[in-house]
Amino acid sequence: SQQGEEDPQALSIQEGENATMNCSYKTSINNLQWYRQNSGRGLVHLILIRSNEREKHSGRLRVTLDTSKKSSSLLITASRAADTASYFCATERKSNTGKLIFGQGTTLQVKP
Amino acid sequence: KAGVTQTPRYLIKTRGQQVTLSCSPISGHRSVSWYQQTPGQGLQFLFEYFSETQRNKGNFPGRFSGRQFSNSRSEMNVSTLELGDSALYLCASSPRLAGGVQYFGPGTRLTVT
Repeated sequence: SQQGEEDPQALSIQEGENATMNCSYKTSINNLQWYRQNSGRGLVHLILIRSNEREKHSGRLRVTLDTSKKSSSLLITASRAADTASYFCATERKSNTGKLIFGQGTTLQVKP
Repeated sequence: KAGVTQTPRYLIKTRGQQVTLSCSPISGHRSVSWYQQTPGQGLQFLFEYFSETQRNKGNFPGRFSGRQFSNSRSEMNVSTLELGDSALYLCASSPRLAGGVQYFGPGTRLTVT
């Protein structure tokens, strides 16, 4: 079963606005990663945050991780039409394996 | 470096047939994982290979199998195809077994009729 639950399932905003997506998970993790997928294509890695980190930035992306609440959020600032895609969080459990457990994803639409 | 490549990109098969999908990882990557993506179940882990050994397997029937070769290329096979096997099959590679980023290929879109 999916470990990650994401909300909202869908988000529609205007260009220039910020978009926030949330992810919750169930078990202890090694790291949490965010991926983007455009129209049924392959996944593109956005950012990885380790279990001992609380916040990470990459360009217009800001990710937070709260291991006590087993939750993470992805903030995209100053969104662009090109950010329109599905966003997935994926967790890697504390074990010697790279298996990722994905959430159901958030579909983001950025209107020009 | 070239990215992860998957062949074929699209495939149409009939129920009962079998199919083999191929994945070539990024040069130097020894870990290859496979995922199935469907609208109903989302992204689900199939298996993971590292240095030609299967390290982890997801909750899929025995009809789904895979292998990894000495050059790290991987194949997955699905026998006795069912309609529900229609999905996007994604392959991902990583330089190590755990703790790192996985780099995904474009996927193989399998349609079973």
